Amino acid sequence: AQRVTQPEKLLSVFKGAPVELKCNYSYSGSPELFWYVQYSRQRLQLLLRHISRESIKGFTADLNKGETSFHLKKPFAQEEDSAMYYCALRADYKLSFGAGTTVTVRA
Amino acid sequence: DAGVIQSPRHEVTEMGQEVTLRCKPISGHNSLFWYRQTMMRGLELLIYFNNNVPIDDSGMPEDRFSAKMPNASFSTLKIQPSEPRDSAVYFCASSFEDTAEAFFGQGTRLTVV
Repeated sequence: AQRVTQPEKLLSVFKGAPVELKCNYSYSGSPELFWYVQYSRQRLQLLLRHISRESIKGFTADLNKGETSFHLKKPFAQEEDSAMYYCALRADYKLSFGAGTTVTVRA
Repeated sequence: DAGVIQSPRHEVTEMGQEVTLRCKPISGHNSLFWYRQTMMRGLELLIYFNNNVPIDDSGMPEDRFSAKMPNASFSTLKIQPSEPRDSAVYFCASSFEDTAEAFFGQGTRLTVV
């Protein structure tokens, strides 16, 4: 069975401070990991995926198979980063999400 | 393409009534997911279809919930009878299996009073 855990429900940081959202997963095979974001009054949308290994809006995430983690990081948070973030795991075409972390960036 | 289309956007119903939520996936996508979003549990996968066939419905909370996908362009999620604890935002998402990115609808906010 696959499982995604996001231990923090709420995260509050000041503008310009680093932000890290934790994500741990359990799956016996080789998973595909994603981060999705939901801005206020917008659709849930893909932020980044581990296979692309790219930085989107300043965010990066590294898959650590040893620790079964896929933490999302940004060195300098901006107010527009305030949103709900979901870590997701795809295996056998099934896409499962963690419980989500609400990020608030304060001026 | 307008993306994944869900209807209605908002639904308020009385306890005990039947509720039907509708979803039109993106044309060409062959995977469809129904999710429920609540403050307490976040985004829960209820059921997913592949090529119109239900593959995994282990997330459906009770027999009161049922979902169908009669063709590649339409799916329904039905709750009968509805209860106040069913109040949540219900999302539909679709994807083309090889690309893996899921595209979400805008959700249906269900309130059962």
